Amino acid sequence: GAVVSQHPSWVICKSGTSVKIECRSLDFQATTMFWYRQFPKQSLMLMATSNEGSKATYEQGVEKDKFLINHASLTLSTLTVTSAHPEDSSFYICSAAVVAYGYTFGSGTRLTVV
Amino acid sequence: GIQVEQSPPDLILQEGANSTLRCNFSDSVNNLQWFHQNPWGQLINLFYIPSGTKQNGRLSATTVATERYSLLYISSSQTTDSGVYFCAVVASGTYKYIFGTGTRLKVLA
Repeated sequence: GAVVSQHPSWVICKSGTSVKIECRSLDFQATTMFWYRQFPKQSLMLMATSNEGSKATYEQGVEKDKFLINHASLTLSTLTVTSAHPEDSSFYICSAAVVAYGYTFGSGTRLTVV
Repeated sequence: GIQVEQSPPDLILQEGANSTLRCNFSDSVNNLQWFHQNPWGQLINLFYIPSGTKQNGRLSATTVATERYSLLYISSSQTTDSGVYFCAVVASGTYKYIFGTGTRLKVLA
């Protein structure tokens, strides 16, 4: 139980285009989901918290206009990287809190912008 | 904000050896988890352990919340244990998981 499905697993896009990453909770409802970013050989950094039906809360230094987050239902949160540039290339991973279990994570999306 | 430091940053072991990974945090926490990140980037939940001791096979973990640290023990290490180990905490009064600096483990055959 407590599975979060994240798609796509990897994506290559051209500079200037937008990419959407989906995160679905398969067997539970996720009122809140979290989006992290990880550069090579570094730790995971929290980007934003998405709440179902309301605006996301972004961490300091994260551009909200570049990283659009939508949490339209209790089982789906999306992260759209707009006008992607090579410096946006990274590993993006979502997570959701599960009562008495802790946090469960999606399998991650490796984004490469060329 | 809370600081989460892990040690050692890098560790190389011979197969069969035991090891202890440490996670220190600078403030009181409500939650703490240990994860193993495999070479493909996937985070595998090892333990949800805000306090106390748990064991799962060759792995065990102990969190002493009052002293602000947690330990992950790996016994009889195998090459498949290689990867990066992270602890992550939720500081008291918050709801966000903050990840530690990680320990990169390599187990040699």
